[in-house]
Amino acid sequence: DADVTQTPRNRITKTGKRIMLECSQTKGHDRMYWYRQDPGLGLRLIYYSFDVKDINKGEISDGYSVSRQAQAKFSLSLESAIPNQTALYFCATSDLSRGYGYTFGSGTRLTVV
Amino acid sequence: GDSVTQMEGPVTLSEEAFLTINCTYTATGYPSLFWYVQYPGEGLQLLLKATKADDKGSNKGFEATYRKETTSFHLEKGSVQVSDSAVYFCAPPHGSSNTGKLIFGQGTTLQVKP
Repeated sequence: DADVTQTPRNRITKTGKRIMLECSQTKGHDRMYWYRQDPGLGLRLIYYSFDVKDINKGEISDGYSVSRQAQAKFSLSLESAIPNQTALYFCATSDLSRGYGYTFGSGTRLTVV
Repeated sequence: GDSVTQMEGPVTLSEEAFLTINCTYTATGYPSLFWYVQYPGEGLQLLLKATKADDKGSNKGFEATYRKETTSFHLEKGSVQVSDSAVYFCAPPHGSSNTGKLIFGQGTTLQVKP
């Protein structure tokens, strides 16, 4: 099994629908992150969590919410999906004691029509 | 705010050519620096890292040296292969405190032709 698992891998949804992207990890890392990737824009941070009770907004949090249900699970929700949220979404984890390196999931390709 | 600048792509090279992808950044915090690689259809994978000034990270023939005086971390490879075709991301630390967050460059696409 992958260290960081994202579900679903692909999703097409309609404008206005609520959708949840899920992320789970088996690395035991305390920190988890959600990024979106758009062509030419690189990775942009949506939300991050340093532990279950510590959740922080990233640079593009509007229209998104998150839930850290457990140390191993960090879900991202789009409350009312819009077409410009069409992107590739990545979850990542890190462990401060191991020098910050991130471990990424394989990504969720979301299309909002 | 903190920023990282990578050379724009795509970079197109012939097999066995020398590769340099430039990366400069503004953050002056915790010194760990990273290069990540994204192969087509996949997530990002850690390629190499450096954890202090003048440290050289290396992996799979790629190297990068952390130059504190120029805040740069350029990626190099002496002889690229077609299998190196991917998007490369430079990732220095975000901020001046020990937050653990990384900031990612926009990515440089490398295309290697046989």
